[in-house]
Parts: sequence; structure tokens; C-alpha cells
Amino acid sequence: EDQVTQSPEALRLQEGESSSLNCSYTVSGLRGLFWYRQDPGKGPEFLFTLYSAGEEKEKERLKATLTKKESFLHITAPKPEDSATYLCAVQAADSSASKIIFGSGTRLSIRP
Amino acid sequence: NAGVMQNPRHLVRRRGQEARLRCSPMKGHSHVYWYRQLPEEGLKFMVYLQKENIIDESGMPKERFSAEFPKEGPSILRIQQVVRGDSAAYFCASSPSGSSTDTQYFGPGTRLTVL
Repeated sequence: EDQVTQSPEALRLQEGESSSLNCSYTVSGLRGLFWYRQDPGKGPEFLFTLYSAGEEKEKERLKATLTKKESFLHITAPKPEDSATYLCAVQAADSSASKIIFGSGTRLSIRP
Repeated sequence: NAGVMQNPRHLVRRRGQEARLRCSPMKGHSHVYWYRQLPEEGLKFMVYLQKENIIDESGMPKERFSAEFPKEGPSILRIQQVVRGDSAAYFCASSPSGSSTDTQYFGPGTRLTVL
């Protein structure tokens, strides 16, 4: 069964303290891996799509990387406004519906 | 370019009533997806629709839930005879096509509370 597991569930960092969020996935074949940011009471906001192992994408203080089994979202020198829940999702190659499977997310809190 | 719009943002229903949730996709998008997010849980896929067609409803509960995306107007997620367990945030996403390379863009969600 296709599955997405994110760790840690919650992460508290001091402003400027870099770290990484992990997303492990099990799918029959990966069509795409997505990272979203979700603020309380709002819908997920798209960040990145990764398609193949070795691919990397960056946006401001965020960098997403992909291997055959997992993806990392690296956050460099975070600021309080980076506090949010970060969601990882995958689309399986045999998915005929373009549906994506989400992990439970990592709640990131950045202290000033 | 307006994003995905959902209304109402908050909906309160008593047990046994009907709930109707509406979703207008982004301009130029003809594919709509509905997801449900229970408290402290991840988003779960419910249904995928194109105009006038249900493509995949494998995530929809077998009873009381239905969805449509008519030729004109928004997509509707309908929940009949609501129960307390239906309380959740319901998100709609849209994409320009059903291509595997498409990104799904999400709306702000409708938070349903069943009393």
C-alpha cells in the first residue's frame, strides 16, 4: 500500500537554527513528490514538486531534495514567519486519478 | 488571477441535516479534487472530477456523500444526514488538466462542524 511518513511530528527551533524535515515514502512507482506549507486555518500552499532521485529545488530559505526512498526539506536560518505545518505528498505512477497521498505533516515552530 | 475559492468557509449543521460545500477552481482549470482533513490527521483524497464527469471517487464514503462538477458553476460536495464524525475541514484543489505533471492548487477550505 502506498504510504507517506513524515518526521518529526513537531520541531521547535530557535530563529537562525537550520534543520531538516524528513519524508519517507513507499509507492509502487513515484510519479511526483510534493511539498506544501499549511498555516493554521488555511489551505495548503504549494512549495515544490520533485520528480526523480537526485533532483533539488530551492525557494528562499527552503531546499527540497529527493532520493529513491525519501525527501528532505532543509530550512536554512529560519525566521519566525517560517512557522507552519509542512506537508509532503506523493503521486504514484500507477495512479490513474492524479490523486496524491499526503503525510501527516511536520509542525515547525521558530522562536524569535 | 484568483485562486481556488471555497464557500462557505465555516458551516455548522445539526445531525441529520444536509451540508453543501462549493468550490470554484482557478481560472483555466478544469479538474477538481476534494480532500478531507480530520483533526490531527493528514489530508485524505475523496474524489476527482472533471466537468460533468466523476473520474475517481475511490476515497468517497459509500453512503451519504456525493460530488458533482456541472458544466456551469462550481463543484459541489454534498453530505446528506450529517453525523458528528463528518466534522472536518474539507479542501478543494484544482489543476489545469489531469496530467501527472500538474500541480494541484488548494483553496482555503470549508470547516464543517456537526452539532
